[in-house]
Amino acid sequence: DTGVSQNPRHKITKRGQNVTFRCDPISEHNRLYWYRQTLGQGPEFLTYFQNEAQLEKSRLLSDRFSAERPKGSFSTLEIQRTEQGDSAMYLCASSLTWTGGSNQPQHFGDGTRLSIL
Amino acid sequence: AQTVTQSQPEMSVQEAETVTLSCTYDTSESNYYLFWYKQPPSRQMILVIRQEAYKQQNATENRFSVNFQKAAKSFSLKISDSQLGDTAMYFCAFMNLTKGTSYGKLTFGQGTILTVHP
Repeated sequence: DTGVSQNPRHKITKRGQNVTFRCDPISEHNRLYWYRQTLGQGPEFLTYFQNEAQLEKSRLLSDRFSAERPKGSFSTLEIQRTEQGDSAMYLCASSLTWTGGSNQPQHFGDGTRLSIL
Repeated sequence: AQTVTQSQPEMSVQEAETVTLSCTYDTSESNYYLFWYKQPPSRQMILVIRQEAYKQQNATENRFSVNFQKAAKSFSLKISDSQLGDTAMYFCAFMNLTKGTSYGKLTFGQGTILTVHP
C-alpha cells in the first residue's frame, strides 16, 4: 500500500494562468474524491468519481474547474484562468466501495498547495 | 444538507493527561458514519476513529474513544494519556450513507487545534 500520491506538492502561479494537479489513488480503490482546504478551515468537498464516472460536483466547482479520471485510475483537476480566491490546499482522497454499498474510510494524500500571485 | 460544528478552535493539554474534543452535527438522515481525522502540521490527514450511527456502543481505538450521543447529535473525542505526537488539527466529519446527492462524501467541521505540552 503506497498510499494516495499527489503532484505537485506546491504550485505557485500568476493570476490568469491554468494549472493542473494529479492524484494517484491507492491502486484497488474505486472511489476518488477532491476536496479544497483553505487555511485554518476544514476541507470542503469538490467532486468525486466512482471508477471513471464523475458522480457529483459541488456548486463550489465553477466552470473554470474540471476534473477527469480516465480509465478509473489517476485523476486530474484543472483550474483555468486562476483567481486569487483559488489559493488553497487541494486534497485528494480514495476509498473502496463494495458492491453492497458499504463505504470504507477515505485515505488522503498530502495535498497540493496552490498559491496565486 | 448536513452541517458539522466544532466549537473549540483551540485546546491544550499536558502530556499524559486526558482531553475531550467536542463535535455536534445536524442531519435528517438516519444512516451515516461519523469520523475523527487528525492533520499534523504540514502532514497528511489521518483517520483516527470511526463510528457507525446504527451502533450504540462507542468506538474505541487504543487511547482514542468517542462519546456518541445520537439523539443529541453529539460526537466527542476523548484522548487519554496524551502524547506529544498527538499535537495536530482534529476534524470531525460526517458521511451520509443514504443514497442521494450527499452519499459517500465527507462533510467536515472547522477543526480544533490540539497542542500537547511536555
